[in-house]
Amino acid sequence: QKEVEQNSGPLSVPEGAIASLNCTYSDRGSQSFFWYRQYSGKSPELIMFIYSNGDKEDGRFTAQLNKASQYVSLLIRDSQPSDSATYLCAVNTAGGYNKLIFGAGTRLAVHP
Amino acid sequence: AAGVIQSPRHLIKEKRETATLKCYPIPRHDTVYWYQQGPGQDPQFLISFYEKMQSDKGSIPDRFSAQQFSDYHSELNMSSLELGDSALYFCASSGEDSDYTFGSGTRLTVV
Repeated sequence: QKEVEQNSGPLSVPEGAIASLNCTYSDRGSQSFFWYRQYSGKSPELIMFIYSNGDKEDGRFTAQLNKASQYVSLLIRDSQPSDSATYLCAVNTAGGYNKLIFGAGTRLAVHP
Repeated sequence: AAGVIQSPRHLIKEKRETATLKCYPIPRHDTVYWYQQGPGQDPQFLISFYEKMQSDKGSIPDRFSAQQFSDYHSELNMSSLELGDSALYFCASSGEDSDYTFGSGTRLTVV
């Protein structure tokens, strides 16, 4: 079992809809959780990070964390074609000197 | 604002050659991380340095070595290159605020 699991997709949503991306992790001691967006051939770009249980909102993006269920999600409201990319979930594991463990990423396709 | 600078952006090497990738972290960031991302793969952690000392080690082949210098820049040295080493190599840096930022990457192609 990978330490960080994501559905590879592709997840296809119409423009203006809500895209929901999910991620589970295996290390119960994980401290912080990150969502990155990556366009093909480009470096990962940080969208949001979350440390505490609950929701964290930033513009059209909402990260949700449930440590009891070892689950973190990213909601994208009013999806735009420019949101089409691979979304990587990353976890800062306990005792890992802050290295990030990435999931395989979910491809999101927003169609007009 | 200054970002993480990586050089070169693209590199083509032949099998069994040596390559050196460079990373210049964000000023005042004391930790550097190296990741390898193969085609269609997620980034795989290779190695990290904190205050010029190796802090963690991942799936880095013995043919690879890295170090962090007094000015905090880091170099990843790759010897006896194999076709399977062709990938995007990302460097990231972080500081006290745990701001984790990636560079633009180096695309290595081994032919």
